[in-house]
Amino acid sequence: KAGVTQTPRYLIKTRGQQVTLSCSPISGHRSVSWYQQTPGQGLQFLFEYFSETQRNKGNFPGRFSGRQFSNSRSEMNVSTLELGDSALYLCASSLGYVGQANSPLHFGNGTRLTVT
Amino acid sequence: KNQVEQSPQSLIILEGKNCTLQCNYTVSPFSNLRWYKQDTGRGPVSLTIMTFSENTKSNGRYTATLDADTKQSSLHITASQLSDSASYICVVSAPTDSWGKLQFGAGTQVVVTP
Repeated sequence: KAGVTQTPRYLIKTRGQQVTLSCSPISGHRSVSWYQQTPGQGLQFLFEYFSETQRNKGNFPGRFSGRQFSNSRSEMNVSTLELGDSALYLCASSLGYVGQANSPLHFGNGTRLTVT
Repeated sequence: KNQVEQSPQSLIILEGKNCTLQCNYTVSPFSNLRWYKQDTGRGPVSLTIMTFSENTKSNGRYTATLDADTKQSSLHITASQLSDSASYICVVSAPTDSWGKLQFGAGTQVVVTP
């Protein structure tokens, strides 16, 4: 079974631009969640989508948004990029909801975003 | 303040030796606790998931323990190998009306030397 695929792998953007990241979950997984990882803050939960509906959202500004399509693929968008948005963005998929004990997260290898 | 604290921040061990990583949490109520291994440049990989009623769970040379009363967990690595060099992240799930968000520890960076 193919794992979680994130594209692109690396991205360099300029402050003020916007960016869209893509995530293809494991086949059959209906939950897709997104995380930001930085050396200073570690891993932080951004949001979760389940069957095209946003179920939970972390403490991030409205510049961070996402969506999920009917085939469970998900995209994350960051508008008006700031230098502090430079990070590794990870996507994870799972059969059940994020946080359920019987539903481990399967992570992709992330998109490394650099904002200059 | 982070609700999940991990210690040590980093450690270096000799190949073949054992080591133990610690995770203390204040998340309450508590649903389950997970340990993940993250290799450099890769996404985290799940090692164990334990609910509040479980005391121990193993995955090969990795054994996690949980004391829900003291809100402490540990991850023991037996007979370490060079491939164990990675960051180990403790993650706690608190149930909400919609199976809430995850609280992440900062991770312990483990380096295994020959």
